[in-house]
Amino acid sequence: EVHLLESGGGLVQPGGSLRLSCEASGFTFSSYAMAWVRQAPGKGLEWVSTISLTFSSSFYPDSVKGRFTISRDDSKNTLYLQMNSLRDEDTAVYFCAKPSSPTNSYFDSWGQGTLVTVSS
Amino acid sequence: DIQMTQSPSSVAASVGDSVTITCRASQGISTWLAWYQQKPGKAPKLLISAASILQSGVPSRFSGSRSGTDFTLTINSLQPEDFATYYCQHAYTFPLTFGGGTKVEIK
Repeated sequence: EVHLLESGGGLVQPGGSLRLSCEASGFTFSSYAMAWVRQAPGKGLEWVSTISLTFSSSFYPDSVKGRFTISRDDSKNTLYLQMNSLRDEDTAVYFCAKPSSPTNSYFDSWGQGTLVTVSS
Repeated sequence: DIQMTQSPSSVAASVGDSVTITCRASQGISTWLAWYQQKPGKAPKLLISAASILQSGVPSRFSGSRSGTDFTLTINSLQPEDFATYYCQHAYTFPLTFGGGTKVEIK
């Protein structure tokens, strides 16, 4: 059974930094691209980043490009999201998500989410 | 970027009703579309991929279809556990984008 466990959320001041982690189990982590998706309180889903196999490529929407960095450690089956220059609008639950196959972006497994609150 | 326009934003229905939710892509995405169900406080659940492929374990009352850049999620014979928020998401290229969501509420 696939299991994704996020951690690292919390309260941070505007302009601050935070690193999220997602520990994966139940599948061959190194064989899948992985992603982060977030959801602001009471709002819809927003894709945040995807990292390809062997971290050769990473992708971001304009809203976080240049501030967020996705990475992975396949030896630890762990996905990361380094978030810098945080803004109020980055407040959200951040989900780690696994695609249903190595070649698509349909997310069939999700973690429970970790809450990031950006506030002074 | 590809925009996904989802409608309606909310719909009230009764158990046993059929509900149709629509997503329109701002450009062609072939069948690169997914539908998710989300309940309060929970992570989204993948229902349908590739516009019409039902995921394992998802009841057959859920179905998806495509007409050009218009995509439809239909829920037949609505059950109590189907009251939730539904999102579409294109998977055609980066950046990935989701529709704004449709809340299916009890009438």
